[in-house]
Amino acid sequence: EPEVTQTPSHQVTQMGQEVILRCVPISNHLYFYWYRQILGQKVEFLVSFYNNEISEKSEIFDDQFSVERPDGSNFTLKIRSTKLEDSAMYFCASCYAGGTGSLYEQYFGPGTRLTVT
Amino acid sequence: KNQVEQSPQSLIILEGKNCTLQCNYTVSPFSNLRWYKQDTGRGPVSLTIMTFSENTKSNGRYTATLDADTKQSSLHITASQLSDSASYICVVIPLTDSWGKLQFGAGTQVVVTP
Repeated sequence: EPEVTQTPSHQVTQMGQEVILRCVPISNHLYFYWYRQILGQKVEFLVSFYNNEISEKSEIFDDQFSVERPDGSNFTLKIRSTKLEDSAMYFCASCYAGGTGSLYEQYFGPGTRLTVT
Repeated sequence: KNQVEQSPQSLIILEGKNCTLQCNYTVSPFSNLRWYKQDTGRGPVSLTIMTFSENTKSNGRYTATLDADTKQSSLHITASQLSDSASYICVVIPLTDSWGKLQFGAGTQVVVTP
């Protein structure tokens, strides 16, 4: 069964460093998302991406964050200058259709645990 | 204020027993309500999706119910197995057609013991 994959599974970085989290969505999906989950807290939406541009972003997704689909398969999240509070599990998700009312499934990857020291 | 409240926060059940998880929400109007299972260190996996007009939806041993009048949903796990140990998350999707407006509950941590 197709699945969303993410690399690395765990990333440790020092405060102020740049990190790039990578995701390979399901191949025929058109809509891509990043979420984060701080330890012990609920999942939070960061950004959605369609047709090579951001379609929606949350307040969390400030200028330190950027997303890119550099080729036909990868979808990346870059944090330019990490802060301690960026430590979280970051989930990539993909969906065939973009409408939330369409009832299409949103498939999540296994996540990347980012630890900022 | 969180618009989706789940209870209990955690529970421990014996293998083979049933349990019911609760989700109360204030999101209105909403498009659909989803229950996800999240294994430790993994991404959420969809269990059920219900529109506002549906009352119940089953997926194997998982049965979700929805009462749109009282704004309550429940997830019932029948004949629990050790592999059911996970966090179960209720997600309500507002009628805004926006993935950014998803309202996640904090989850109920279920531990199934032998």
